[in-house]
Amino acid sequence: TTLTQSPAFVSATPGDRVHISCTASQDIDNDVNWYRQKPGEATTLIIQEGSNLDPAISPRFSGSGFGTDFTLTIDNIESEDAAFYFCLQHDNFPVTFGGGTKVEI
Amino acid sequence: QVQLVESGGGVVQPGRSLRLSCAASGFSFSNYGMHWVRQAPGKGLEWVAIIWYDGTNKNYTDSVKGRFTVSRDNSKNTLYLHISSLRPEDTAVYYCAKDLFMRAPTGVSYGMDVWGQGTTVTVSS
Repeated sequence: TTLTQSPAFVSATPGDRVHISCTASQDIDNDVNWYRQKPGEATTLIIQEGSNLDPAISPRFSGSGFGTDFTLTIDNIESEDAAFYFCLQHDNFPVTFGGGTKVEI
Repeated sequence: QVQLVESGGGVVQPGRSLRLSCAASGFSFSNYGMHWVRQAPGKGLEWVAIIWYDGTNKNYTDSVKGRFTVSRDNSKNTLYLHISSLRPEDTAVYYCAKDLFMRAPTGVSYGMDVWGQGTTVTVSS
């Protein structure tokens, strides 16, 4: 399953709402996770199963979607949210990743 | 806390072999499937392999089948990736990652929750 993620780059201002899209080449139910990657840090799980927020993550993050279209939304974006974000599908093997989105604040 | 620490990377000549290790701590290692994921310079993430919790079943991405072998030693809480016949295109940061749910059935993955910080493999003469 190919995951097409957009945009590749977002420049946001503190307080903005940011949407990141992930489109699957076939129906994958809600088998999508979202992750954040920062330089020098381990990759962090943000959302699992399309919309379930990891307990360690700020509620400013939310996920939605089912089937082929998925969205990660960051509300009231803060400077600490600057990172590389990517989606992953685990509906079928091989596990595949979206191309990623670099978020600049 | 839950932690994964990769090791074993380095600069290796094409055609040689290498074994990467991933030391796990802070969770019941023997109850979770484990993944290897790699990221080549300037490229996106590529899933490499999974080994289910008991080590009896494995799955690989097509591009590494026959050259990469994933294994685990549950008595040592350690995951391994043996890479043979290294190619320049294997140059990447290699991450190990823990599957989300305990004792996922063979053939099923829920994606990863915990990732290591990676070990860099550079294949160059």
